[in-house]
Amino acid sequence: SQQGEEDPQALSIQEGENATMNCSYKTSINNLQWYRQNSGRGLVHLILIRSNEREKHSGRLRVTLDTSKKSSSLLITASRAADTASYFCATDDYGGSQGNLIFGKGTKLSVKP
Amino acid sequence: EPEVTQTPSHQVTQMGQEVILRCVPISNHLYFYWYRQILGQKVEFLVSFYNNEISEKSEIFDDQFSVERPDGSNFTLKIRSTKLEDSAMYFCASKPDRNNEKLFFGSGTQLSVL
Repeated sequence: SQQGEEDPQALSIQEGENATMNCSYKTSINNLQWYRQNSGRGLVHLILIRSNEREKHSGRLRVTLDTSKKSSSLLITASRAADTASYFCATDDYGGSQGNLIFGKGTKLSVKP
Repeated sequence: EPEVTQTPSHQVTQMGQEVILRCVPISNHLYFYWYRQILGQKVEFLVSFYNNEISEKSEIFDDQFSVERPDGSNFTLKIRSTKLEDSAMYFCASKPDRNNEKLFFGSGTQLSVL
């Protein structure tokens, strides 16, 4: 798989349920970020987790990172219809210039009211 | 809250024509980027720019592409002779300094090459 591959590609849930999205990557990283993209809009940064961290929380978001498996997960608890969007993980270019983020194809989340 | 602004939101052009995509990064930011997203595909890095010069560029960013910061506020991406495969959403992004990994993205310019 390529750097920053998310799965599933699409996820449909009911409002109030939890949504879990996974991301795998191939190379060493300094950090991993999750971004959200509403249809036709730009990406909005959600959360960053550093390579020496295992778990991080921000509101209804919980991110985990397993560097031994080169994988991360994003959990959105108590989902709302407004959470409907595409979610991308992005890894930095370890040792490279900062800002050269490598994105996956994203998970398209649909939360039904 | 300050934001990155991009104009136009949509651009339609004929193959072979030159296009300039414009971006106004957040005012105190020093690092600027262009990314693109072909429909249904992942977001791809094109180029990074700092201190009035290109820091890094991807394989996509060939001789047909150029970037410029013509004044203290604008950051432009020029495609000299557009190809059909250049059709994509182009995103500008910026960040304040080297130590801040979070990027702030604009809403994008949808480029359609006919």
